[in-house]
Amino acid sequence: AQSVTQLGSHVSVSEGALVLLRCNYSSSVPPYLFWYVQYPNQGLQLLLKYTTGATLVKGINGFEAEFKKSETSFHLTKPSAHMSDAAEYFCAVSVMEYGNKLVFGAGTILRVKS
Amino acid sequence: GAGVSQSPSNKVTEKGKDVELRCDPISGHTALYWYRQSLGQGLEFLIYFQGNSAPDKSGLPSDRFSAERTGGSVSTLTIQRTQQEDSAVYLCASSSPSGRRSTDTQYFGPGTRLTVL
Repeated sequence: AQSVTQLGSHVSVSEGALVLLRCNYSSSVPPYLFWYVQYPNQGLQLLLKYTTGATLVKGINGFEAEFKKSETSFHLTKPSAHMSDAAEYFCAVSVMEYGNKLVFGAGTILRVKS
Repeated sequence: GAGVSQSPSNKVTEKGKDVELRCDPISGHTALYWYRQSLGQGLEFLIYFQGNSAPDKSGLPSDRFSAERTGGSVSTLTIQRTQQEDSAVYLCASSSPSGRRSTDTQYFGPGTRLTVL
């Protein structure tokens, strides 16, 4: 079965600082990996996804993530945090052999300090 | 274009009552998913519809939960004899399947917040 672990339920950064949100996955077959963001009282919005090919994936709002198979990781980064980045971020995995459902991590709440 | 819509946005009900939650997927999307987001359990898959295929109900927590999708479009999630532990945000998502469905982006609605008193 697949699982996703997000280290740190809360992360706080200063405006302009590097954002690093950690995600590790467990899967016996090559995974497809996603990062979603959720703003208060809204649904989930896709930031980026890794399927195949280039392991460094660029998404919206300046975010990117790198798939590292040897580390079973898919950490999300942004060079410079903006106040509008404050939200909850979810890492998820989808594996074809187990249907199309997404298995989500517990989420990380990002706080950006001015 | 219009995104995924869900209604109602909020629902308060009494324990033991039945509730129906509605989802309108993005036009043309053949895949539809229901998830539940609760404080204790995080985001959990409930059920998945794809075209005319039998739905994947593997995530439904009990037989009090059921869902249907009429005409390949609108879906209704029904919870019978609601319990307090059913309180959660119920999210609907849709996608337009490509050749490799596990890579498809799921587009989420704003959710229905269900409170069972």
